[in-house]
Amino acid sequence: DAKTTQPPSMDCAEGRAANLPCNHSTISGNEYVYWYRQIHSQGPQYIIHGLKNNETNEMASLIITEDRKSSTLILPHATLRDTAVYYCIVKKTGANNLFFGTGTRLTVIP
Amino acid sequence: DAGVIQSPRHEVTEMGQEVTLRCKPISGHNSLFWYRQTMMRGLELLIYFNNNVPIDDSGMPEDRFSAKMPNASFSTLKIQPSEPRDSAVYFCASSLSFNEKLFFGSGTQLSVL
Repeated sequence: DAKTTQPPSMDCAEGRAANLPCNHSTISGNEYVYWYRQIHSQGPQYIIHGLKNNETNEMASLIITEDRKSSTLILPHATLRDTAVYYCIVKKTGANNLFFGTGTRLTVIP
Repeated sequence: DAGVIQSPRHEVTEMGQEVTLRCKPISGHNSLFWYRQTMMRGLELLIYFNNNVPIDDSGMPEDRFSAKMPNASFSTLKIQPSEPRDSAVYFCASSLSFNEKLFFGSGTQLSVL
């Protein structure tokens, strides 16, 4: 599976949009981009995934560049409960080993 | 739905003792995964099952580790004998099918003294 690169940490003001970048320049055509997050002392939680089109659900939006070499996870109105480590993962269709990497530690500031 | 249920939540044991971690996946899910998380190595996949059959155990660190899934609603991860370097948080996750998103339990914090 392709590797991903994320900034180690970010801050965001409460109520503002949090934009978390991910670089996956070696992604191949059959690999999806997944986002999970892990709140302190909890197990990872699925957020969203996509192949090449932008996706939106009740938690977040995923913007994937046209060349698919990078993506951005957007939390439109960050709350204190969104403070967590966010993992960007690239996974082949049919593969089940999610490689979590080190992620981005997002801190939402009051 | 109660989600993925793991027990115990915390386990403290002495080196050399046998440790058994338990997991109840979400009802109807066909795939089950065991992960381990440490500060040094992050989240690592140990083993996963599909329809109760182990598919890939290449992440199991050594023969001291074993996992079973006797039925669709229960799995165990056993460490015998345990060592201090096994101290970690062990997560169980399940998914509806082989290629679906994972739902994680709250984990078992294992401390081997």
